[in-house]
Amino acid sequence: EAGVAQSPRYKIIEKRQSVAFWCNPISGHATLYWYQQILGQGPKLLIQFQNNGVVDDSQLPKDRFSAERLKGVDSTLKIQPAKLEDSAVYLCASSLGAGGANEQFFGPGTRLTVL
Amino acid sequence: RKEVEQDPGPFNVPEGATVAFNCTYSNSASQSFFWYRQDCRKEPKLLMSVYSSGNEDGRFTAQLNRASQYISLLIRDSKLSDSATYLCVVRPTDSWGKLQFGAGTQVVVTP
Repeated sequence: EAGVAQSPRYKIIEKRQSVAFWCNPISGHATLYWYQQILGQGPKLLIQFQNNGVVDDSQLPKDRFSAERLKGVDSTLKIQPAKLEDSAVYLCASSLGAGGANEQFFGPGTRLTVL
Repeated sequence: RKEVEQDPGPFNVPEGATVAFNCTYSNSASQSFFWYRQDCRKEPKLLMSVYSSGNEDGRFTAQLNRASQYISLLIRDSKLSDSATYLCVVRPTDSWGKLQFGAGTQVVVTP
């Protein structure tokens, strides 16, 4: 079974530039998550989708971050404009459903460096 | 105060030895508990769920103490391949699948 796919794997940009990340979840998984993992910290949830609807975006810095999952499958996360503190690994995860014992499967992540 | 707190380590463990470490969580309404493993520069992967009665999975034993709000993980007969960061993860009752991660405990198993 194919896992969660993410691209690009690495991205280096200068501050104030824009960047976008793409995620393709495991087939059939209704719930998709974007996490930010800063070096030395655990992943922090940015946004959670259930199909194509947003369930939780309480920790998403909405002045610069946006995400969409238009057809309930693939998702993109955008940062515009980027700041130095956005340097982190952006992890996408998916699960069959939300809550309960639904295991979240993580993709390999996109490592973003903002100079 | 952080929602999930862990000793960052590193815990340096000789091969074959036993290592144990805890994490504490602040939300008493937390519903589900997990240990994830994260290898260097890799994604987190579920190691095991933690049940109220405690549970084992091979050489790994997890315990939950709701009264004191802590979770523990014990690794017996450590292998070199157990070297990783172990993330304590909590799912609050009022969340929609949202997981709260600790910063991780690093374990280094040495020959």
